[in-house]
Amino acid sequence: KNEVEQSPQNLTAQEGEFITINCSYSVGISALHWLQQHPGGGIVSLFMLSSGKKKHGRLIATINIQEKHSSLHITASHPRDSAVYICAAWRLYQFYFGTGTSLTVIP
Amino acid sequence: EAGVTQSPTHLIKTRGQQATLRCSPISGHTSVYWYQQALGLGLQFLLWYDEGEERNRGNFPPRFSGRQFPNYSSELNVNALELEDSALYLCASSFGTDYDQPQHFGDGTRLSIL
Repeated sequence: KNEVEQSPQNLTAQEGEFITINCSYSVGISALHWLQQHPGGGIVSLFMLSSGKKKHGRLIATINIQEKHSSLHITASHPRDSAVYICAAWRLYQFYFGTGTSLTVIP
Repeated sequence: EAGVTQSPTHLIKTRGQQATLRCSPISGHTSVYWYQQALGLGLQFLLWYDEGEERNRGNFPPRFSGRQFPNYSSELNVNALELEDSALYLCASSFGTDYDQPQHFGDGTRLSIL
């Protein structure tokens, strides 16, 4: 069983929709990162969370340490948000990655 | 500021050969991480170097090795290549070793084993 689980695996949305991607982990962690990977492979780090909530533009990330759960929200989704979103839990000096959520936003 | 650079972009090898992948971190970053992304398997942690020392390695056989040079650039070596080593190999760098430091990723080296 993967220590980090993401859902859904695939997500298709209409432009403008509110999107939520979930990440659950089964062990204690120091921090959780959200990454964005565009076709071709390039990865961008979106957020690092150890508690609470962070916001950057249309992206919001939350984490509940007690429930071992994090969510990434995208408000007013746009086709340029189409990418794979990966959560990564930092534990014992390494990352444990979720399997990713492939998001497609249709105009 | 130049980002993390990896070379080569693509590498084609045959089974049993050795591959060397290179990574130059962002100026000032002392930590370099290597990850493997095989088709359908997601990202997996390979190696972490900081200040020239190997700090941690993931669950990979010893034929995956590397080093970090005094200028903080890094090399990943894969010996006795197997078909399942075909993957995108990503390097990332960060400032220091704190878990809350963002990692900056390179564009990767796509290794194909024939």
